[in-house]
Amino acid sequence: DTVLTQSPALAVSPGERVTISCRASESVSTRMHWYQQKPGQQPKLLIYGASNLESGVPARFSGSGSGTDFTLTIDPVEANDTATYFCQQSWNDPTFGAGTKLELK
Amino acid sequence: EVQLVESGGGLVQPGRSMKLSCAASGFTFNNYDMAWVCQAPKKGLEWVATISYDGSSTYYRDSVKGRFTISRDNAKSTLYLQMDSLRSEDTATYYCARQEDYFDYWGQGVMVTVSS
Repeated sequence: DTVLTQSPALAVSPGERVTISCRASESVSTRMHWYQQKPGQQPKLLIYGASNLESGVPARFSGSGSGTDFTLTIDPVEANDTATYFCQQSWNDPTFGAGTKLELK
Repeated sequence: EVQLVESGGGLVQPGRSMKLSCAASGFTFNNYDMAWVCQAPKKGLEWVATISYDGSSTYYRDSVKGRFTISRDNAKSTLYLQMDSLRSEDTATYYCARQEDYFDYWGQGVMVTVSS
């Protein structure tokens, strides 16, 4: 299985820029996708194909990367961005990162 | 509007069976692959199984192979997950999801608790 490694948690102030990283144990090309999950809710797709913004998702969210290193950027961060963010690869059987919990200061 | 509504969860004893259903609406169900993804309490997400748009191909994570069966009824726009020989480690919220190369729509999830 392709293992995806994410930092466990981040804390930022509203209005700041935050980058959330995801490293794959092998190259997944650009077949990396990002989800937001708020407590008690299902995950929501934000970014697909490493850098494509899902319809209806604010342009404050962006994604970049290829190969093994990927980044989700939120700029500027808003209060309601408090959530856990997961990366997921589809190069082979789908696997998810453990999630990065974003908290607002 | 795309909607996915799961049902069939609950408490079940180890070794017993349970069948989950997911009713889909708002899109042409038989045009899309579908999947089940689970999330153990306070844990991350794990892909469980995928079925192709026409039901001809199925794929499973290793830990459920031989125990779980994914199926679909395109006439009813419904996805299923038959779970046999359940273990305590199968305790999780199970989501059905529409699958492109990614999971673009998710249901609200249904809780399955395996305990004696």
